[in-house]
Amino acid sequence: DGGITQSPKYLFRKEGQNVTLSCEQNLNHDAMYWYRQDPGQGLRLIYYSQIVNDFQKGDIAEGYSVSREKKESFPLTVTSAQKNPTAFYLCASNRGASSYEQYFGPGTRLTVT
Amino acid sequence: ILNVEQSPQSLHVQEGDSTNFTCSFPSSNFYALHWYRWETAKSPKALFVMTLNGDEKKKGRISATLNTKEGYSYLYIKGSQPEDSATYLCALRIDTPLVFGKGTRLSVIA
Repeated sequence: DGGITQSPKYLFRKEGQNVTLSCEQNLNHDAMYWYRQDPGQGLRLIYYSQIVNDFQKGDIAEGYSVSREKKESFPLTVTSAQKNPTAFYLCASNRGASSYEQYFGPGTRLTVT
Repeated sequence: ILNVEQSPQSLHVQEGDSTNFTCSFPSSNFYALHWYRWETAKSPKALFVMTLNGDEKKKGRISATLNTKEGYSYLYIKGSQPEDSATYLCALRIDTPLVFGKGTRLSVIA
């Protein structure tokens, strides 16, 4: 069954701790993306990667880090430097060109207290 | 930062009504416009990807049009059903990855 998986669905952390969100895809897509959603906001791009071992900052990259060591995996680390980490995080992938639709994972809701 | 506007923010319609909503965007250097449907507790799913001015796409009761010269796209739903209840997102690609609007939340009342 092809698709994108994100784990866990819900994540709770104490302030000051780094936390890593998992995103895996078996669609053989070159490009992967991380978005954040806050109430009343659209999806905002955190980081994206168009090819293995390469990634670029999106609009709100501060306080986040990523890696792309394998085509299938694009983990996102929310660091303690992120001022407002509580949010819903969505991972997506596509074949890489703008004309291709994005496929989304189920999301991870992160709560930091 | 590029601004993609969607209106209305939310919409309540009766089952069987037809409805439409708008996505507005800056018209320069257009590459592609995407529409996604996001049902509660599910992942967003692509409805349409449009790249050419004048494009019209249709999937069942849902259709979309694109005007890149004036910077808007319309999404139409004919004969709304309760299962159409969702948030409809549009997203624009110019010279960056997709920029999403805030969505239109549609509720269809049986």
